[in-house]
Amino acid sequence: EDQVTQSPEALRLQEGESSSLNCSYTVSGLRGLFWYRQDPGKGPEFLFTLYSAGEEKEKERLKATLTKKESFLHITAPKPEDSATYLCAVQESGTASKLTFGTGTRLQVTL
Amino acid sequence: DVKVTQSSRYLVKRTGEKVFLECVQDMDHENMFWYRQDPGLGLRLIYFSYDVKMKEKGDIPEGYSVSREKKERFSLILESASTNQTSMYLCASSLLGRGAEAFFGQGTRLTVV
Repeated sequence: EDQVTQSPEALRLQEGESSSLNCSYTVSGLRGLFWYRQDPGKGPEFLFTLYSAGEEKEKERLKATLTKKESFLHITAPKPEDSATYLCAVQESGTASKLTFGTGTRLQVTL
Repeated sequence: DVKVTQSSRYLVKRTGEKVFLECVQDMDHENMFWYRQDPGLGLRLIYFSYDVKMKEKGDIPEGYSVSREKKERFSLILESASTNQTSMYLCASSLLGRGAEAFFGQGTRLTVV
């Protein structure tokens, strides 16, 4: 059974204080690893897809990386508007398009 | 702009009622999904569909059924609502194929009293 574990559960940063969120996964064959952002009361918003170990993707202050067992979402010089819950999900080979989600990291960025 | 629209943002239903949650996407996606989201448990897949009239059980299908009569519409049915089905329900759609990202609706907050 797929396992996706995110850490930490919650993270509080000051504006400009860079950090990383972790997503560890266990699947028999990875088809894709996804990062989403979710604001309170809203549906998740797609950020990145990573397919293979060593791959990296960037968008503004966010950078996602992938190894064979985990992914990191690096946040460089965060701003208060980066406050949200960040969700990681995996798509396993042979499971059609089903995504298995972690429970998320709740990020708060203060002035 | 891609769009997944859920029919209601908030619903309050009584125990034992039959509840319909509707979802429509305008992206001609093959896949559609229903998830529920609960604090500490994350998003859990209830059902998904990869084609019209096709459906597959997710991780927590008990107490739910689905209907997909048209490609753009996917309905979640609670046959007899119970208080433990109080939750945030999220619909999503995606293309078939490796790594196709899922686009989510805004969610329906269902309260069963």
